[in-house]
Amino acid sequence: DADVTQTPRNRITKTGKRIMLECSQTKGHDRMYWYRQDPGLGLRLIYYSFDVKDINKGEISDGYSVSRQAQAKFSLSLESAIPNQTALYFCATSDFQGDGYTFGSGTRLTVV
Amino acid sequence: GESVGLHLPTLSVQEGDNSIINCAYSNSASDYFIWYKQESGKGPQFIIDIRSNMDKRQGQRVTVLLNKTVKHLSLQIAATQPGDSAVYFCAENIYDYKLSFGAGTTVTVRA
Repeated sequence: DADVTQTPRNRITKTGKRIMLECSQTKGHDRMYWYRQDPGLGLRLIYYSFDVKDINKGEISDGYSVSRQAQAKFSLSLESAIPNQTALYFCATSDFQGDGYTFGSGTRLTVV
Repeated sequence: GESVGLHLPTLSVQEGDNSIINCAYSNSASDYFIWYKQESGKGPQFIIDIRSNMDKRQGQRVTVLLNKTVKHLSLQIAATQPGDSAVYFCAENIYDYKLSFGAGTTVTVRA
């Protein structure tokens, strides 16, 4: 089984719909992150969490929210999806020193 | 703003040759750097990392060089193989292990 699992792998949704992307990890890491990848722009940080009670905005958090349900679970929500949120979304984890930074396989989201 | 960038968006290399992928960063306070490989349809895969107290670090067929004077990072791949074809990203620790990524270099290996 993968260390960092993201569901769904692919999703097509309509403008205005609420959608949740889920991430779970078996690495025992405290830190979890959500990144977005657009062609030619690399990965950009949306939200991050250093432990269950700690949630922080990244550089592009507008239009997104997150929930850290447990050490192993970190979900990303789009409250009202819009077409420019069409992108690849990656969850990542790391230990408290930043070591072992590991990414999931990604969720390809299309908003139509 | 400060950012991490790669010098070239694409690199074509002959199978068996060595590859060098470059990355420039602008945040002089950065103390941790990672190289990732991303194959089509997959998430970024860790290749090698280096902390700012080092100039060079070697892994299996890969070497990362860090030149803090000119804020330059490079990834060298020895004896490039077809399986090395992918997009390569450098990432910089901007603060407390939130990474800032460059746009990536697409490496294509010619048979």
